[in-house]
Amino acid sequence: SQQGEEDPQALSIQEGENATMNCSYKTSINNLQWYRQNSGRGLVHLILIRSNEREKHSGRLRVTLDTSKKSSSLLITASRAADTASYFCATLNAGGTSYGKLTFGQGTILTVHP
Amino acid sequence: DVKVTQSSRYLVKRTGEKVFLECVQDMDHENMFWYRQDPGLGLRLIYFSYDVKMKEKGDIPEGYSVSREKKERFSLILESASTNQTSMYLCASTERQTQYFGPGTRLLVL
Repeated sequence: SQQGEEDPQALSIQEGENATMNCSYKTSINNLQWYRQNSGRGLVHLILIRSNEREKHSGRLRVTLDTSKKSSSLLITASRAADTASYFCATLNAGGTSYGKLTFGQGTILTVHP
Repeated sequence: DVKVTQSSRYLVKRTGEKVFLECVQDMDHENMFWYRQDPGLGLRLIYFSYDVKMKEKGDIPEGYSVSREKKERFSLILESASTNQTSMYLCASTERQTQYFGPGTRLLVL
């Protein structure tokens, strides 16, 4: 079963606005990652935040992690039409030998209108 | 740059056929994964491999098998394709916990 649950399922905004997507998970994690998928293509890694980090930035992306609430959010600032894609959170569970096995959420479909 | 390639972008097969999906990575990664992606269900792990000839079942292995004879190549096999295996199949390899994905194979089973 999918550990990550994303909210909202779909988000539609105008270019220049900020987009916020949320992810909740159930078990203890080693890290949480966000991926992007353009229509009909493979996923591309965006950013990784470790369980002992609270916030991380990469360009126009800002990720927060609240391990007490088992939740994360991805903020895309000053969105562009090219940001239109599906966004997935993925968790690497804590403990054991995981071989890098991630558990993916169902994704948020972001549409940015020009 | 890491490159993960998949043998086909689109594939149409008939029910009962044996189907091979191939994935190749060029970064000497130890771990490789096969997922299927369906609307509303996200990515579900079928099988993964952590070394040559080593494999483990994921969440939905039924109806699938895998082969990893060389480190760079990880094959997904549908022994007898069925219509409920129509899906998008994604391969990934990983090092240091970040996964690198191929472009995907959209499989239609008629």
